[in-house]
Amino acid sequence: NAGVTQTPKFQVLKTGQSMTLQCAQDMNHNSMYWYRQDPGMGLRLIYYSASEGTTDKGEVPNGYNVSRLNKREFSLRLESAAPSQTSVYFCASSEYIRSGGAGDTQYFGPGTRLTVL
Amino acid sequence: EDKVVQSPLSLVVHEGDTVTLNCSYEVTNFRSLLWYKQEKKAPTFLFMLTSSGIEKKSGRLSSILDKKELFSILNITATQTGDSAVYLCAVLMYSGGGADGLTFGKGTHLIIQP
Repeated sequence: NAGVTQTPKFQVLKTGQSMTLQCAQDMNHNSMYWYRQDPGMGLRLIYYSASEGTTDKGEVPNGYNVSRLNKREFSLRLESAAPSQTSVYFCASSEYIRSGGAGDTQYFGPGTRLTVL
Repeated sequence: EDKVVQSPLSLVVHEGDTVTLNCSYEVTNFRSLLWYKQEKKAPTFLFMLTSSGIEKKSGRLSSILDKKELFSILNITATQTGDSAVYLCAVLMYSGGGADGLTFGKGTHLIIQP
């Protein structure tokens, strides 16, 4: 099992350009998440998808859109990149069972380091 | 506002020392608390805690949760240079809509000197 994979690993954009970050998981998990990590800020939730067909905003959704393409794939799109979106982006997934337990554990992909000039 | 606070933010110790990392939280509808280790790449899972007073243990690492006082600690005994990393504490809350994201603390940057 590859776990959670992300592409690309690195990306440099100019202000105003658009791009899509791809994420896929092979653990048959129900829920998927996008976080960004900035120095001194910790990891913050951008969007999440509790199950196929649903998406919800997290703490910092402005400037982003997401698509849950199928159970395996969850993409993050920047329509018009800004320097403030320079960050490391992590995708994660979890089994998530309503009653709780080990399914709460979120597993992270290797990250995408994005620089917006 | 929900928040997770870790202390100390950074810590430098010598190999062989024992360290205790702290995590306090103020959240609504607590569901579980998770610890992760991050070494310049993706966070890797260490422990998940849901019940007070039950210690989770893996080798030299252990963790416990106190739901009355709203904190957790992560202990590392006989530290090694390979333990150098950022340790992240995160809390998951119950959400009426189902799965929700984790709320993270800012992490403790642990450096183990030989």
